[in-house]
Formats: sequence, C-alpha cells, structure tokens
Amino acid sequence: AQSVAQPEDQVNVAEGNPLTVKCTYSVSGNPYLFWYVQYPNRGLQFLLKYITGDNLVKGSYGFEAEFNKSQTSFHLKKPSALVSDSALYFCAVYTGGFKTIFGAGTRLFVKA
Amino acid sequence: ETGVTQTPRHLVMGMTNKKSLKCEQHLGHNAMYWYKQSAKKPLELMFVYNFKEQTENNSVPSRFSPECPNSSHLFLHLHTLQPEDSALYLCASSQGGVHEQYFGPGTRLTVT
Repeated sequence: AQSVAQPEDQVNVAEGNPLTVKCTYSVSGNPYLFWYVQYPNRGLQFLLKYITGDNLVKGSYGFEAEFNKSQTSFHLKKPSALVSDSALYFCAVYTGGFKTIFGAGTRLFVKA
Repeated sequence: ETGVTQTPRHLVMGMTNKKSLKCEQHLGHNAMYWYKQSAKKPLELMFVYNFKEQTENNSVPSRFSPECPNSSHLFLHLHTLQPEDSALYLCASSQGGVHEQYFGPGTRLTVT
C-alpha cells in the first residue's frame, strides 16, 4: 500500500538551532515528494518538492529536504530555526492520476 | 494566497440547511481539488476535477455535491450535514496531477 508517515507529532527546537522534521514513504515506482507548511487559519503552502535529480532539494524560507532512496525518507531540514517557522508541516507523496497522499502533519515549535 | 480564494471563510449551519462553498483560482491551472481537514487526521481528498471533468470521488457521502462550471471555479454544495462533518474544507489547484498544489485559506465549517 502507498503511504507516507510523519513519526513525530511535535518537534521542539530552540531558535538558532538546526531543525529536522522526519518523513518516510512507501510508493510503487519513482517517488514524487513534497513538503507543505500550514500556518494558523491558513491553507497549506508549498515549500519544496523532489521529482528527480539531486538528492538535496532547496525550497522556500531557507528550508531544504534530503531524499534518501535506500531509507525511503524525505526529511525536511533548516540550518537555523526561527520563531516564525513555528507551524504545521506536511509531507506528501504523489501516488498517480490526481492523487497525492498527505502525512498527518508535524507541529514545529521554535522557542525563542 | 490570493492565487486561490475561498468563500465564506467561516460557516455555521444546522443539519437541515443547504449551503455552498465557493473556490476560485487565478493561476490558470487545469485541476481543482476539495479536501477535508479534521483535527489530528490526515488531509482527506474528497473530489478532483481536471478541465471541468470529475476524476476522483473518494467515497464521499452524497450530502456533499461538487460542481465545477469551468477550470477556474469550484463549488461544494452542502445539505443535511452531520455534526461530524464539521471541519476545515480546503480547495486547491494544480497544473496536472504530478505538480505541487496551491491551497486556498479554507472554510471553517461548523454543523450544529
């Protein structure tokens, strides 16, 4: 079965420290992977995607993600967290046609 | 978020009411989506339209009725809803199924 998992409900990090939000996936064929962010009372915003090519993908707001085929992971990273990065983050995988599966979300809390 | 707009932003309705949610995208995309977002649950895909034709209906109860008059507008007609239908309803659009989706701010629906 095709799926995406975000093993952490919440990640806490101090401002200025590096952050990682984890994502693993299971999909047949080549994966098309995405990260989205959701701020309170807003819709999801696209951050970055992996389709093919370099395993390190750079996106908006200084975020990047590392695709690891052997570990079927696509972790979101940022070298130095900001308080304003506090939000809900969703990993997603395209499964064919017009279907994309979203993870349950990880709440990131950055403390000043 | 001006790329995809949704109205109303908030809606409270009784179980016997009929109401409609509206979504409009200004991005020239061909695909439009309705999602349901409930607390602590993954995003649930409800309906997908591609060039005004419905391509996905994820076993959604008939009390939800979508309408897509053109590639820029999407409606969700609601009637005789249940309290468990209370959620954030998100509209999104994309250029094809494999590409990233752009979300509206959502309609917060409360069924009393």
